[in-house]
Amino acid sequence: KNEVEQSPQNLTAQEGEFITINCSYSVGISALHWLQQHPGGGIVSLFMLSSGKKKHGRLIATINIQEKHSSLHITASHPRDSAVYICAVRNYGQNFVFGPGTRLSVLP
Amino acid sequence: DGGITQSPKYLFRKEGQNVTLSCEQNLNHDAMYWYRQDPGQGLRLIYYSQIVNDFQKGDIAEGYSVSREKKESFPLTVTSAQKNPTAFYLCASSERGQNTGELFFGEGSRLTVL
Repeated sequence: KNEVEQSPQNLTAQEGEFITINCSYSVGISALHWLQQHPGGGIVSLFMLSSGKKKHGRLIATINIQEKHSSLHITASHPRDSAVYICAVRNYGQNFVFGPGTRLSVLP
Repeated sequence: DGGITQSPKYLFRKEGQNVTLSCEQNLNHDAMYWYRQDPGQGLRLIYYSQIVNDFQKGDIAEGYSVSREKKESFPLTVTSAQKNPTAFYLCASSERGQNTGELFFGEGSRLTVL
């Protein structure tokens, strides 16, 4: 069993739809990160969470420490949101463990 | 602007040759990481360094070597001992504290062995 799992693996949505990507983990963590990887390969950090909820524009990330679960929501999705979304956790050894990623395609 | 610079972006190598990928950061981060990404797979840790002049093997260190002589630089050498070196390589850095430390990535280096 992987330490960090994501669902769904692939997701296709129509422009404007509300999108949810889920992440569950099985190890103790100091923080959880949501990352976005575009087709060119570069990765940018979207959120770093250790509790509660954060919002940036149309993106919302939540974490439930007791349930070891996090969700990334995209409201009013747009084709430019098409990317691979990666959940990563930072363990107490200060290294990062990555989920397999969720490939999102938003169709116009 | 602060960030991480990786070079080269694309690299072709003949079998049996060593190649070195450059990673430079001006974020004043203590921790630096090298990851390998294969098509359809997640990131796997090759080496990491939490401080200058110290580095540790990650999950897939065989066939790779690193150095950390300066805080801002963490080059990765892919040696001829690496059996399947064709992959996308990503360098990252973060602050060392447990409750801080947003993760920053370079643009990646795509290595192809001919």
